Amino acid sequence: DIQMTQSPSSLPASLGERVTISCRASQGISNNLNWYQQKPDGTIKPLIYYTSNLQSGVPSRFSGSGSGTDYSLTISSLEPEDFAMYYCQQDASFPPTFGGGTKLELK
Amino acid sequence: EVQLVESGGGLVQPGRSLKLSCAASGFTFSNYYMAWVRQAPKKGLEWVATISTSGSRTYYPDSVKGRFTISRDNAKSSLYLQMNSLKSEDTATYYCARRGMYTTDYGYWGQGVMVTVSS
Repeated sequence: DIQMTQSPSSLPASLGERVTISCRASQGISNNLNWYQQKPDGTIKPLIYYTSNLQSGVPSRFSGSGSGTDYSLTISSLEPEDFAMYYCQQDASFPPTFGGGTKLELK
Repeated sequence: EVQLVESGGGLVQPGRSLKLSCAASGFTFSNYYMAWVRQAPKKGLEWVATISTSGSRTYYPDSVKGRFTISRDNAKSSLYLQMNSLKSEDTATYYCARRGMYTTDYGYWGQGVMVTVSS
């Protein structure tokens, strides 16, 4: 199985700040990398698919990039509703696997 | 509007069975692969099962293979997860998710249903 490692596991940040969350795969995943946001009530919202494509309705302050084994999610200017958990997920190889998560919290 | 609504969770003893359901609406259910993803308390997300559009193909990780069965009823726009021989480590919130039509990401998720395996 492909292991997905996210960093940091916790990210304190301020409103308006630009932040980046990293995700590293244990082997190359050819851009088959997706990002999800999870709120404290458990609601999961898809954000980005295939490395850099925004899901419908996702604000443009979210962006994704990367290649090979290294990928990242960037939020250009934090809004109050962005403080949540973030997960990366690869679907290049069976079984699909998720990163351990990054908790974005208010500093 | 796409909606996925899970039901059937609850408290069950180790070794017993439970069947989860997911009612889908707002899209043509039979056109999409569907999946179950779970999250143990205070843990990350874990893929549990995927089923093809017709139901002819199913996929599982080793952790549930032989114990869990995913199925669907396209006429009822419903997805199911039959869980047998439940273990304490199966305790989690179970999410129903829809795969993209032309992509393999999970574009829509339900609100989740809690399953607790305990004596």
